[in-house]
Amino acid sequence: DAGITQSPRHKVTETGTPVTLRCHQTENHRYMYWYRQDPGHGLRLIHYSYGVKDTDKGEVSDGYSVSRSKTEDFLLTLESATSSQTSVYFCAISEGGGRMNTEAFFGQGTRLTVV
Amino acid sequence: SQQGEEDPQALSIQEGENATMNCSYKTSINNLQWYRQNSGRGLVHLILIRSNEREKHSGRLRVTLDTSKKSSSLLITASRAADTASYFCATGLGNQFYFGTGTSLTVIP
Repeated sequence: DAGITQSPRHKVTETGTPVTLRCHQTENHRYMYWYRQDPGHGLRLIHYSYGVKDTDKGEVSDGYSVSRSKTEDFLLTLESATSSQTSVYFCAISEGGGRMNTEAFFGQGTRLTVV
Repeated sequence: SQQGEEDPQALSIQEGENATMNCSYKTSINNLQWYRQNSGRGLVHLILIRSNEREKHSGRLRVTLDTSKKSSSLLITASRAADTASYFCATGLGNQFYFGTGTSLTVIP
C-alpha cells in the first residue's frame, strides 16, 4: 500500500468551529489532492497541490482552505464548519498528476460530522 | 462539471457471471482510469488506459475506450463475491483527476 495516512479518521464537531484534517505521505509524490465523497455525487475535488506552497482550487472549494508547507503534508481546513460539510474526506497522492498517465493513491478517508 | 457518469448506478449479478460497467465523460482526456472502492475504504486503482489505446486487459479486467464517443467500459469476467464494491472511472487531464459517480456492484454467491 502507498504510504498515505489521514488523520483523524473520525471527527464530530460543532457548527462554526474550525477543523483541520491532515494528510501525510511517505512516497515523495508531487501532487496531493483533497476530495469529498457524498452519496449521489461521487468524488468531488476540493483543492489540490502541485508542489510545496503551490495549491489550486477544485470544483467545491468554497469554505475550505489548504496548506502545504512541506512535501509530505497537505492540510485541509474548514474555517467555520457547517452541516453541509458533513462528508467523507479523502486525500490522494500522485507522482505525475492527470496528464502523466500515473495513478492516484488514496488514503483511508476521514468521516467528518458537523452537528 | 467535468465529472464522468457511470452506468448503471447499481448492478447485481450471480457469482461466475460477467459484469459490465460503462463510463461517459465530457472533455478530451490524457487517460482514463478505473478504481474500486470497498465499503468504508479508500479507492484502489485497477487499470489505466491511455487516450491513444482502444483496449487493455489486466487479469479478469478488460477496459475499452472510445474517444470519439467519449466513453469507456469495464468488463469483469467470471465475477466473485469479493468483487462486490463500487467502481469509479476517472479521467486524467492536466493536473487533475475527474471522477464519475460510480457503479455499485453486488456479486451474489
